[in-house]
Amino acid sequence: EVQLVESGGGLVKPGGSLRLSCAASGFIFNSYAMNWVRQAPGKGLEWVSSISSSGSYIYYADSMKGRFTISRDNVKNSLYLQMNSLRAEDTAVYYCARYMMATMFSDFWGQGALVTVSS
Amino acid sequence: QSALTQPPSASGSPGQSVTISCTGTSSDVGIYNYVSWYQQHPGKAPKLMIYEVSKRPSGVPDRFSGSKSGNTASLTVSGLQAEDEADYYCSSYAGSIHLVFGGGTKLTVL
Repeated sequence: EVQLVESGGGLVKPGGSLRLSCAASGFIFNSYAMNWVRQAPGKGLEWVSSISSSGSYIYYADSMKGRFTISRDNVKNSLYLQMNSLRAEDTAVYYCARYMMATMFSDFWGQGALVTVSS
Repeated sequence: QSALTQPPSASGSPGQSVTISCTGTSSDVGIYNYVSWYQQHPGKAPKLMIYEVSKRPSGVPDRFSGSKSGNTASLTVSGLQAEDEADYYCSSYAGSIHLVFGGGTKLTVL
């Protein structure tokens, strides 16, 4: 069974940093690309970043470029999102998802980690 | 403002059919057959319902179908059931922007 479990969410002050983790199991992690997608409270889904299976190809939404860094550890079967210079508008539930990069869809999603940016 | 435009709400009675539209541009929906649809119940993670415009993952009922015409993709739910009440989001590959989502449609089963 595919499982994705996010961790590392919490309350952070504006300008602060946070690192999210996503532990993957139930599939061959190093064979799949991965996504981060976020959802602000009461709002819709917003794509954040994608990383290829090897980590060689990385993409970011414009509003996250330069502030967020996606990475993965294929030995630990884990995906990460380093978030710096956080703003109030980054407050959201952050989902990690398995991503079919060739055909651009996410077939399995974690339950999400809440990040709250507030003073 | 979302990159793809969806109606905020849609509704139908049990057993009826309802179609949700997703309008993009010639830079995303219109040029790529990489449109996917996700169902999200309150407090839950999104679930893939349709990928590559019209393909259904294993386990998704055939009451759900997808199509595309020009810059607009559509999700049709036939034989509406109470459990279909949820938010639905479309997504498309968008070239250099990579991936975009619609603003979501709240489907109400009357």
